[in-house]
Amino acid sequence: DAGITQSPRHKVTETGTPVTLRCHQTENHRYMYWYRQDPGHGLRLIHYSYGVKDTDKGEVSDGYSVSRSKTEDFLLTLESATSSQTSVYFCAIMIQGETGELFFGEGSRLTVL
Amino acid sequence: SQQGEEDPQALSIQEGENATMNCSYKTSINNLQWYRQNSGRGLVHLILIRSNEREKHSGRLRVTLDTSKKSSSLLITASRAADTASYFCATDARTALIFGKGTTLSVSS
Repeated sequence: DAGITQSPRHKVTETGTPVTLRCHQTENHRYMYWYRQDPGHGLRLIHYSYGVKDTDKGEVSDGYSVSRSKTEDFLLTLESATSSQTSVYFCAIMIQGETGELFFGEGSRLTVL
Repeated sequence: SQQGEEDPQALSIQEGENATMNCSYKTSINNLQWYRQNSGRGLVHLILIRSNEREKHSGRLRVTLDTSKKSSSLLITASRAADTASYFCATDARTALIFGKGTTLSVSS
């Protein structure tokens, strides 16, 4: 069974500080995704990866960068956090390549003061 | 911009009643998926319907797809309190899924 671990699960930080969220998968799924979820907006795609060192932007990528140096890890970095980046961040992996079915992590709640 | 839009935004029903949620989308799709999210948790895949299918069943779930109207509906029959959650439709866009804003379903006993 697919498994995803997101860390940290909760973080409070101050405006202007860097933040890195980690997504770790226990299998070797090629596609990994970062979404953010906000009230009134649903889930919005930030970045995704289709392999080691292969990433692409999503709908709301400004202010975020990602890295994938190993198949199992996908990092999301906020270089200088802003209050508008207060959100719940979800990592997902594509477990069915033909259909695009996603398996989600439990989320990381980030508060930027 | 988001591809899918669910309707209604919120739905409150009694246990045993049926719940129907609708999803409209904008561009052509290969498939449409429905996900469920319990409060404070990640999304869980419920059911997928391909663009060449019109109806699909899974347990108490029934999904329909009308590609001419670019719309889908999710029916949950004989709702239970445990069905209380948010429900999202998702459509494929190249190599990612685009989600709607969701319908929040509340089932009271």
